[in-house]
Amino acid sequence: AQTVTQSQPEMSVQEAETVTLSCTYDTSESNYYLFWYKQPPSRQMILVIRQEAYKQQNATENRFSVNFQKAAKSFSLKISDSQLGDTAMYFCAFYYNQGGKLIFGQGTELSVKP
Amino acid sequence: DVKVTQSSRYLVKRTGEKVFLECVQDMDHENMFWYRQDPGLGLRLIYFSYDVKMKEKGDIPEGYSVSREKKERFSLILESASTNQTSMYLCASSSFTGSSPDTQYFGPGTRLTVL
Repeated sequence: AQTVTQSQPEMSVQEAETVTLSCTYDTSESNYYLFWYKQPPSRQMILVIRQEAYKQQNATENRFSVNFQKAAKSFSLKISDSQLGDTAMYFCAFYYNQGGKLIFGQGTELSVKP
Repeated sequence: DVKVTQSSRYLVKRTGEKVFLECVQDMDHENMFWYRQDPGLGLRLIYFSYDVKMKEKGDIPEGYSVSREKKERFSLILESASTNQTSMYLCASSSFTGSSPDTQYFGPGTRLTVL
């Protein structure tokens, strides 16, 4: 069975600093996809970034980047120059074709403090 | 912009009532999903649908059913609501892209309380 684990239920960071959210997963699949989704307070969940397992290069989207360590089955999210609008619940998610569905981690609640 | 709407943001029902949660998407997406979100458990998939009148069980389908009569609408039904179904319910949709997953677009959620 595929599992996704986010071991940090809550984190906080000062505005303008950098923070890293951790995610590990367990799978025997070789071809899969990983995602980070963001759920701001009382707002809709949106995709932050995605990574294809066959790509060695880490994905980057503006201030958001990932550290994908396939052998270690680790997929962390780094947020640079944190902004107040980054305050949200962040979910790591895993997808493989035979499963046909996203498997989510428990979530990490990030607070950015002024 | 993709828009996924859900019929209610907040809903309070009594034990034993039949509850309908409606979800509508406006981007002609083939795939639609229902999740429940609980603290410490993340999102868990209840049911999903790849096409009109088609449905597949997710990880926690017990106590729920779904209906998809039109491509844009996916309904979640609680036949006899129970207190352990108090939760946040999220709907999502995505297009079919063959071998790779498309981005899922989420609705705002319905916070259901069963008394």
